[in-house]
Amino acid sequence: QVQTVQSGTEVKYPGASVRVSCKVSGYTFTSYGISWLRQAPGQGLEWLGWISGNNGETRYAQNFQGRLTMTTDISTSTAYMELRSLRPDDTSVYFCARDVGSRVFQHWGQGTLVTVSS
Amino acid sequence: DIQMTQSPSPLSASVGDRVTITCRASQSITKWLAWYQLKPGKAPKLLIYQASTLESGVPSRFSGSGSGTEFTLTISSLQPDDFASYYCQQYSSYPVTFGQGTKVEIK
Repeated sequence: QVQTVQSGTEVKYPGASVRVSCKVSGYTFTSYGISWLRQAPGQGLEWLGWISGNNGETRYAQNFQGRLTMTTDISTSTAYMELRSLRPDDTSVYFCARDVGSRVFQHWGQGTLVTVSS
Repeated sequence: DIQMTQSPSPLSASVGDRVTITCRASQSITKWLAWYQLKPGKAPKLLIYQASTLESGVPSRFSGSGSGTEFTLTISSLQPDDFASYYCQQYSSYPVTFGQGTKVEIK
C-alpha cells in the first residue's frame, strides 16, 4: 500500500533554512506529483506548492516565491522541501501529500514539526 | 484568492447523530471541492473530492454535495472514530485555499 514518511522534528533560529524530506513507496513515483502544505499552531491549512514527480516542474504559492525550493530524487522516491530565511511565524507542522492532479491531496505524510525560535 | 468559510465551528454531537458541515466559497468553484479529516498527530485523510466523489476506502456514511458556492459534508451516523476536524478545500483556481476547519466534538 501507499506509504508517505517524512523526516523528523526540526528546531531552527530565525534566518536559517530547513529541509524536510518525504519518502514515498507503494506506487510509481513518476506517476504523481507531491504537494507540500503546512498548519500553524491553532490555524488552518496552507498550501505551499507542488512538484511533478516526473519532470521536476514546480508551482509555488505566491506567498513563498523566492524562499521556497522543492526538489525530488527519483532514484529514492523522495521529495524535498527547503524553506529559507525562516521567521517565527513559519513555525508549523509541514505535510507532504501525493497530489492526484489539480491539487487534490491523497496519502499525506505524518507531518514534520518545524519550530523557529531564538 | 477565493475565501472558503465553514460552519458551524465547533460542532457538538453524539454517536449516532447525523452531522452536516457547510462550506461556502466567495465565488463559484463549480464542483472543484475536496473534504479532509484531520486528527492530532495523524496523517490527514482525503474524504471526498469533486464535491461528491467518495475517496476509495472511506466509509459510505460520509457524503458530499453542492456546486457553485455552497457545499455540504454529511456524516449519516456519527461514529467514535469520526470525532476530528474537517476542512474543505477549493481547487478551482490558484492558490488553492482551505476553510478554517470544523471541529466535531463529543456532546
